[in-house]
Amino acid sequence: EAQVTQNPRYLITVTGKKLTVTCSQNMNHEYMSWYRQDPGLGLRQIYYSMNVEVTDKGDVPEGYKVSRKEKRNFPLILESPSPNQTSLYFCASTPRGGGLGNEQFFGPGTRLTVL
Amino acid sequence: AQSVTQLDSHVSVSEGTPVLLRCNYSSSYSPSLFWYVQHPNKGLQLLLKYTSAATLVKGINGFEAEFKKSETSFHLTKPSAHMSDAAEYFCVVSDGLLNTGTASKLTFGTGTRLQVTL
Repeated sequence: EAQVTQNPRYLITVTGKKLTVTCSQNMNHEYMSWYRQDPGLGLRQIYYSMNVEVTDKGDVPEGYKVSRKEKRNFPLILESPSPNQTSLYFCASTPRGGGLGNEQFFGPGTRLTVL
Repeated sequence: AQSVTQLDSHVSVSEGTPVLLRCNYSSSYSPSLFWYVQHPNKGLQLLLKYTSAATLVKGINGFEAEFKKSETSFHLTKPSAHMSDAAEYFCVVSDGLLNTGTASKLTFGTGTRLQVTL
């Protein structure tokens, strides 16, 4: 089944404790992206990757890192989480040239709470 | 630059009555437009998309949307609401000029929560 998976689905952590949220897709998509969803703000793009070893900042990159060493994986790293990073996170993927009619496939989401 | 405005944060309809969720967009170039739905505690699912073909777009579950360039609108409609339609809906714009084999930049609206009552 074609899908985007994220782990963990739920995470409660404390300020400053490094964490990684994994994202994997099995559709051989070139383009992957991370979003955060906050009430009243919709989804905002954190980082995106056009292909292996090619990443760039989205609208809200501060406090986050990403890497794209393999085509299928795009982990989101929070080196020193803070409470304002408490949010619902979505990973998405799409084929090359995505956006022009190409659907973005979303993962199920990761709900992160930073205490 | 691109942006999207969903004019209602919350819409309530009775089951069997029409649904109208409003969306206005701003884009420097020919945009692609999407509607996504998010059911409680679920990910996002594509309802329909406009990509410069027919201006009236039909999607899943009886939804459709009409692209009106003169009004910069892309409103989502359904003739008869069902209880299962209760969810949050997002209007999304993508700047067409960017989609030339490069990055895909999506800009999301803030969402409209649809409530369906008996």
